[in-house]
Amino acid sequence: DTGVSQNPRHKITKRGQNVTFRCDPISEHNRLYWYRQTLGQGPEFLTYFQNEAQLEKSRLLSDRFSAERPKGSFSTLEIQRTEQGDSAMYLCASSGSVPKLLQDPGNTIYFGEGSWLTVV
Amino acid sequence: GENVEQHPSTLSVQEGDSAVIKCTYSDSASNYFPWYKQELGKRPQLIIDIRSNVGEKKDQRIAVTLNKTAKHFSLHITETQPEDSAVYFCAPSGMRFGAGTRLTVKP
Repeated sequence: DTGVSQNPRHKITKRGQNVTFRCDPISEHNRLYWYRQTLGQGPEFLTYFQNEAQLEKSRLLSDRFSAERPKGSFSTLEIQRTEQGDSAMYLCASSGSVPKLLQDPGNTIYFGEGSWLTVV
Repeated sequence: GENVEQHPSTLSVQEGDSAVIKCTYSDSASNYFPWYKQELGKRPQLIIDIRSNVGEKKDQRIAVTLNKTAKHFSLHITETQPEDSAVYFCAPSGMRFGAGTRLTVKP
């Protein structure tokens, strides 16, 4: 296990199309997070899961955005009817709420490489 | 929701000088205080973190100090080097991020 994995890394889509991103967290991490980041800004929290339960969702997340984590492992983030304003990097991250490793005493959030979305 | 503010938004120092970035937060229940470094086009990387039962933590040239009463924590970088140039983010409780501080270290 080499860390949080995201794909695709880059996606160019036409306005109005749907896109889906996938995130595979670090194994045994029960928490998974999605963020959006645009140039010059900090990561903006979108939603997070503990196992398969979606515990929090940002008010900034419009109805066109949906995230799932059906089996408590990988997660998908779907954007429907994309708009140019959706162009950003979508970051996934994971953490373990229960410390299992001495060097990772819980709560530390590890990020994936991100998925760049360009809506044209 | 949590309000997170970072200051300054940009910081330019001479190589070898120290840099300090401050983060204030509003949620008194926060108990985990990380700092992330992000280089252009890359993911945020954790550089140091502290938990609420500790007031200070140091790792070589980097330190974090926490004042829970005043609800702020700070990142301290000593003997700065050009490779420290990046954007630094605080994220109290690990979920809400500050807007970032762009640090430039001039050789």
